[in-house]
Amino acid sequence: SQELEQSPQSLIVQEGKNLTINCTSSKTLYGLYWYKQKYGEGLIFLMMLQKGGEEKSHEKITAKLDEKKQQSSLHITASQPSHAGIYLCGADPSTIQGAQKLVFGQGTRLTINP
Amino acid sequence: NAGVTQTPKFQVLKTGQSMTLQCAQDMNHEYMSWYRQDPGMGLRLIHYSVGAGITDQGEVPNGYNVSRSTTEDFPLRLLSAAPSQTSVYFCASRTDRRSNQPQHFGDGTRLSIL
Repeated sequence: SQELEQSPQSLIVQEGKNLTINCTSSKTLYGLYWYKQKYGEGLIFLMMLQKGGEEKSHEKITAKLDEKKQQSSLHITASQPSHAGIYLCGADPSTIQGAQKLVFGQGTRLTINP
Repeated sequence: NAGVTQTPKFQVLKTGQSMTLQCAQDMNHEYMSWYRQDPGMGLRLIHYSVGAGITDQGEVPNGYNVSRSTTEDFPLRLLSAAPSQTSVYFCASRTDRRSNQPQHFGDGTRLSIL
């Protein structure tokens, strides 16, 4: 079965600094989803990547999927307190489009210090 | 448009008790799923449904039952609660299993089994 490994598991950065979270898969990724979770709340969809080499940005967050489609990174530029939370990557292990029985990484807990 | 609504938000049960976690969505989504989130393990798929009257097992289905009598509702039943089922449960939905649109998550139900 497919497994996702996120690194680091926990990250503390000073406000204004850049940071990167990685998500590595044991198998080829056919769809990679990044979500953010705040304590006591559900998951908020950030971005979806499908094609090798694909890169998407939203405000100060950029996500990339490598050419071999086995690793994704999430980069935050000039971090702000609002970026704090748990970031999870989720992947669709199925070759059948849209089956979407997602598997998730264990999450990265991000703390922003003022 | 409320999105995905889960009730209750918190629940404490005794071992052996039964309970139903409710999930409702008002977006006319075909695909619905239940995940559990445990520390250090990310989210794991329990059961899912691709439409009314159709359900299937995910990664960790033992001890749980589901049904999908309407498009809107997808309840999760714990038949005889065990301490190992202490977790945070998330319900998710999306528009069509054949698309790659992201899943929308509820805010979760925090369940403790004593």
